[in-house]
Amino acid sequence: DGGITQSPKYLFRKEGQNVTLSCEQNLNHDAMYWYRQDPGQGLRLIYYSQIVNDFQKGDIAEGYSVSREKKESFPLTVTSAQKNPTAFYLCASRRTTSGKPDTQYFGPGTRLTVL
Amino acid sequence: DQQVKQNSPSLSVQEGRISILNCDYTNSMFDYFLWYKKYPAEGPTFLISISSIKDKNEDGRFTVFLNKSAKHLSLHIVPSQPGDSAVYFCAASLRGLVNSGAGSYQLTFGKGTKLSVIP
Repeated sequence: DGGITQSPKYLFRKEGQNVTLSCEQNLNHDAMYWYRQDPGQGLRLIYYSQIVNDFQKGDIAEGYSVSREKKESFPLTVTSAQKNPTAFYLCASRRTTSGKPDTQYFGPGTRLTVL
Repeated sequence: DQQVKQNSPSLSVQEGRISILNCDYTNSMFDYFLWYKKYPAEGPTFLISISSIKDKNEDGRFTVFLNKSAKHLSLHIVPSQPGDSAVYFCAASLRGLVNSGAGSYQLTFGKGTKLSVIP
């Protein structure tokens, strides 16, 4: 059945290392998003992509990079330039055709801990 | 500057009673609103939404009310069940701007309200 997968569930990295978080969807959604959640905070948008080979910075893009080479995949790289990378990262996708185009559907998330 | 605010970080309700979660927004251009439910260490799940042309939308035990003049919406859960215990996020969209070609379907989220339903 269709959905959004994020792997791994938990990820540990040493300070100064880049790390890539995976996000795959088989919902045939055009748009994909990356959010970060910190304790007591809402979801903050890192990057989004409305279509393959195109992506836009969100509110907190510094220290992150993305690619969108395939419709199904939207990996997020947390670089060493990100000052506080420890957080819960959420990927979402959205159908851009009929129905409720605003509604984003989320994956299960990846908890990144930088030691 | 927070455009979507959930001023109550937490709420406790007895099982069977009504839960009312509140959300305020400052951007009058927001015209579509969504509620998401989130369990710890999981992704949010879509619950219910409402367009600004309506003032109420109902889905089973969940009802969302919108007061545009007050820039306020609320989510009512009746009756509350222990399984409803989660964090609830309010989100807003600029659908009208998208239709006019001036925006995208980005969602602006509040910080969430943790609901605890006590058996």
